[in-house]
Amino acid sequence: ETGVTQSPTHLIKTRGQQVTLRCSSQSGHNTVSWYQQALGQGPQFIFQYYREEENGRGNFPPRFSGLQFPNYSSELNVNALELDDSALYLCASSPSGSSYNEQFFGPGTRLTVL
Amino acid sequence: KNEVEQSPQNLTAQEGEFITINCSYSVGISALHWLQQHPGGGIVSLFMLSSGKKKHGRLIATINIQEKHSSLHITASHPRDSAVYICAVPSYMYSGGGADGLTFGKGTHLIIQP
Repeated sequence: ETGVTQSPTHLIKTRGQQVTLRCSSQSGHNTVSWYQQALGQGPQFIFQYYREEENGRGNFPPRFSGLQFPNYSSELNVNALELDDSALYLCASSPSGSSYNEQFFGPGTRLTVL
Repeated sequence: KNEVEQSPQNLTAQEGEFITINCSYSVGISALHWLQQHPGGGIVSLFMLSSGKKKHGRLIATINIQEKHSSLHITASHPRDSAVYICAVPSYMYSGGGADGLTFGKGTHLIIQP
């Protein structure tokens, strides 16, 4: 059984650029949630994808967007990067579109915006 | 929206001590998650529980749904238990269905000294 994987591990971008982060869900899981974790803070919910549709969204602007593919892997896209977007981005997969199921987290992508 | 409070924020103990970390939340839930995060990022799901008590090795998690309170205990603590422990609950940000992700506590930074 393959766990949740994320790529890249680390990324450095400059303000105004665009970035794409990738997540492969655990085998058999059709739901992926994305979280942003600023340094010293708890993760904040960005959005969730369930069967290729956005299934819920936190308090993040539209420049944060995502996709889920037929194999249930997912992408997080951030346009017009700002310095405050520097954070650890975590994805978590679960077997269905609910926060009541166990979430399996990936190792995260650390994004630095200069 | 669910609010989560964890205590203590920081805890330093000697190897072998019994550790207790507490979590309180504001909105009734059907499941609570305990997570572990080591320096460098990756989050591991320790427990998801909706009632009573769960045990895994030296870790024990309890929840009191009526009091909206959960505890994580570590018996015979070891330096490798040093990590940030986070509790998380469904956010309940949306009233019309759809996923709302998890709301996380700020975490308890645990250091076990040899």
